[in-house]
Formats: sequence, structure tokens, C-alpha cells
Amino acid sequence: DIQMTQSPSSLSASVGDRVTITCRASQSISSYLNWYQQKPGKAPKLLIYAASSLQSGVPSRFSGSGSGTDFTLTISSLQPEDFATYYCQQSYSTPRTFGQGTRLEIK
Amino acid sequence: QVQLVQSGAEVKKPGASVKVSCKASGYTFTGYYMHWVRQAPGQGLEWMGWINPNSGGTNYAQKFQGRVTMTRDTSISTAYMELSRLRSDDTAVYYCARDVKQQLALYFDYWGQGTLVTVSS
Repeated sequence: DIQMTQSPSSLSASVGDRVTITCRASQSISSYLNWYQQKPGKAPKLLIYAASSLQSGVPSRFSGSGSGTDFTLTISSLQPEDFATYYCQQSYSTPRTFGQGTRLEIK
Repeated sequence: QVQLVQSGAEVKKPGASVKVSCKASGYTFTGYYMHWVRQAPGQGLEWMGWINPNSGGTNYAQKFQGRVTMTRDTSISTAYMELSRLRSDDTAVYYCARDVKQQLALYFDYWGQGTLVTVSS
């Protein structure tokens, strides 16, 4: 199975900050990397697919990059509604493993 | 609009089985694989497996092999996930998610609202 490791596990930031979350795969996954946002009590929401493609309706302050084993999710200017938990997921092979999550909190 | 609507919360005793449904609407049910993902309280997301609604073919995570069964009823556009021999650590929210397959991309674009399954004696 491919292991996905996110860092940091938690992060405190302020509105307007630029934030970067990283995700590392245990082997190359090309660009088969997705990012999801989850708020408490809600289902995950797709933000980025194929490492860098923005899902329709997602604000342009979200961006993704990377390929192979190292990936990043960047939020260019944090908004109050962005405080949530973020998960990466590889879709290169089954099982479709997720990272452990990064909890983004208000400083 | 695409919607995945799951069945309601369940409380089960250890050793019992639970069957969660996921009713799809707004798209061709047989055109997209359906995956199941669970989330234990305060924990991360755990992939359980998928079903091809067109053929009925399935693929389960090794962890759940022998305990999970995914089925579908195409006449009512509904997918099901049944988990047997429940244990307390199966207490979780269970999600269905639609899988989009594009060239060089595979991702879950729509998710059900989640079904809380509580296993307690």
C-alpha cells in the first residue's frame, strides 16, 4: 500500500496569511493526488484533483502543485471559512489511501 | 444536480451486521464507480472499497475482506455497504463517494452526507 504523510499535522494561522501544507507519498504516484477539505460534522469536499487542477466552484486562492512523491496545497490568503481539516489522497493505486490530515486553526 | 443521500444513523451490538444505503440522483448511476470511506470519531479518512454499479464488480480494502459486502440496485440507483461481525472500533461515520475517472485523474467529486454507525453493547 502507498503511505501518504502530511505535514504539519496541525497549523495555526491568521486571516490573510499564506499557508502551505505538504503531502509526501511513499512511492511515486505521478500526479494522482487529490486534496479535500473537511469541516466538523460535514463530508469532505474536493478542492484540487490531479495535483494541480482546481475543482469547479473552488476559490482561486487554493492551489496545488507537485508530482512524483512530493505535493503541496497552498492557500494564498486565508479566509475565515478556510479553517478546517485538509486531507491529501492518492488515486494512483488501490487502496486509495489518505494522509492523516492537517488541522488548520485560527491563531 | 448530483446528490448522494445516505440512510440514517444506526446503533448495533457487537457481532451484528449493518447495511448502509446511498441513493444517487442527478446523473447516470451506472456510469461512475461508487466508493465507501469511513471516519472514526476524531480520526482521519479510511478507504474501504468500491463497487462498479454497472457490472456489480467490487474491490475491498484488505482490512475489511471477509466482513464487507458492497452491492447495488440499479433499478433505484442505490449502492449498499454491509459490514458484518461489528466491533466497537467499527464505530464511525460511513460515507459513499462518487468516483470520477478522467485521463490522468481519478477523484471523488461528490460525497454522501455520512451515516453514523455506533457499535455498543
